[in-house]
Amino acid sequence: GAGVSQTPSNKVTEKGKYVELRCDPISGHTALYWYRQSLGQGPEFLIYFQGTGAADDSGLPNDRFFAVRPEGSVSTLKIQRTERGDSAVYLCASSLSSGGAEDTQYFGPGTRLTVL
Amino acid sequence: QQQVKQSPQSLIVQKGGISIINCAYENTAFDYFPWYQQFPGKGPALLIAIRPDVSEKKEGRFTISFNKSAKQFSLHIMDSQPGDSATYFCAARNIGNLIFGKGTKLSVKP
Repeated sequence: GAGVSQTPSNKVTEKGKYVELRCDPISGHTALYWYRQSLGQGPEFLIYFQGTGAADDSGLPNDRFFAVRPEGSVSTLKIQRTERGDSAVYLCASSLSSGGAEDTQYFGPGTRLTVL
Repeated sequence: QQQVKQSPQSLIVQKGGISIINCAYENTAFDYFPWYQQFPGKGPALLIAIRPDVSEKKEGRFTISFNKSAKQFSLHIMDSQPGDSATYFCAARNIGNLIFGKGTKLSVKP
C-alpha cells in the first residue's frame, strides 16, 4: 500500500507568514508523529497523536506551532508568524499504534520549509 | 536525560569492510531502539530495531549489539557496499516518540 505522504514537498514563505503542512498517514495507522529535522541533525520530536487527540505535544517549541488531526487520519501542522529559525524539514511518521512492542514508525519524505 | 549520543559523525569504509556506529543513552525507561537509514531528500527508513531484553539482533548484513548495563548499542554493517552510503540514525523510544542521535554519514568507497 501507499506510504506516508506529505504535502507540499517544498514551501518557501516570508517571515511573519502563516503556513500549513499536511500529512497523510498509512491507512489504518492510529498513531501519527511530527518531527523537525534541521540540516545535519537528527529528527527532533514535536508532537504525536493517538487517534484524534494529541497524546504528547511536549516537543512543540512555542505557541506558534499547532497541529490537528480532526478525523484521526490526516494531520495538519500549522505554524503562525513564521521565523527564519523555523526553516527545516518537517517529517511526519505513522505507526499502527504507539508504544506497542515494536511499533515501527514509518516516515514520509518530509516538507522542506524555507522562511525568507 | 533524554539524549542519545551517536558516534562517529562521519565514517569512510572500503567496499567489503565492516561499518560500526555507536550510540549511548542515559534514560533507562527507553524501551525500544531502532536504527534508521536516510538518503538525501528522503525520509528516514527503518533498518533494524532491538528491545533492551535482547543482546543482539541480526538481519542480513545488519546487526545490532545491545549492552544494557553500559547503556550502549551499536550497528554493524558487514560487507559494506557503495549503496549503503547514507546517513544512519540511532534512536530510542520514550513512551511514544523517538529520540534520535545526530547521525553518522557513511561513505563506502568502491
